[in-house]
Amino acid sequence: AQLVESGGGLVKPGGSLRLSCVASGFTFSSYRMFWLRQAPGKELEWVSYISLSGGETDYADSVKGRFTISRDNGKKSLFLEMSGVRAEDTAVYYCASPVDLVSDAFDIWGQGTKVIVSS
Amino acid sequence: DIVMTQSPATLFVSPGERATLSCRASQSVRNNLAWYQQKPGQPPRLLMYGVSTWAPDTPPRFSGSGSGTEFTLTISSVQSEDFAVYYCQQYSTRPLTFGGGTKVEI
Repeated sequence: AQLVESGGGLVKPGGSLRLSCVASGFTFSSYRMFWLRQAPGKELEWVSYISLSGGETDYADSVKGRFTISRDNGKKSLFLEMSGVRAEDTAVYYCASPVDLVSDAFDIWGQGTKVIVSS
Repeated sequence: DIVMTQSPATLFVSPGERATLSCRASQSVRNNLAWYQQKPGQPPRLLMYGVSTWAPDTPPRFSGSGSGTEFTLTISSVQSEDFAVYYCQQYSTRPLTFGGGTKVEI
């Protein structure tokens, strides 16, 4: 089982970025999916959640109204659209999959994609 | 939001010694508690979930205990590869929250 993120980079404050995560080795459509992030030297922070079908989503208050999570089960892909980015959004962003169908503990992580918000 | 507090921030141990890491939740998370290990430049690795269930490939020297608001991760005999940062995470309610981490150092 593997997750591979892409799309990170340097973006100016107020700008936009789209992160992608491609899954392999497991039945992507059977798992809720999540984005988490880790600012430099900081602890992990949950960012967003999406249900199996994509019909239910949830966001941390810190990103609500600015970030949008989505998925394409046919392409085994997860996305995070980031807009109105701020300096405090600078972090390594991880996509992650839960260990089972009922526990939001994550046993599959991508390697992370770094987002730097700076002018 | 449920606040997760880990102690100590840094734990100095020698190889072969027992290490005990603590995690406290600001309100009950029942048994919805996970532990992760993270090494520099790597994503977290799930060690335990459901307080005391081993994740795949977790060595048996790791064990978890506790309930409600007080939890412990124990490494029975620390090996060289165990020197890392450890995080607890509650998944009882969203927002999912993590502790600030305990760094296990030589």
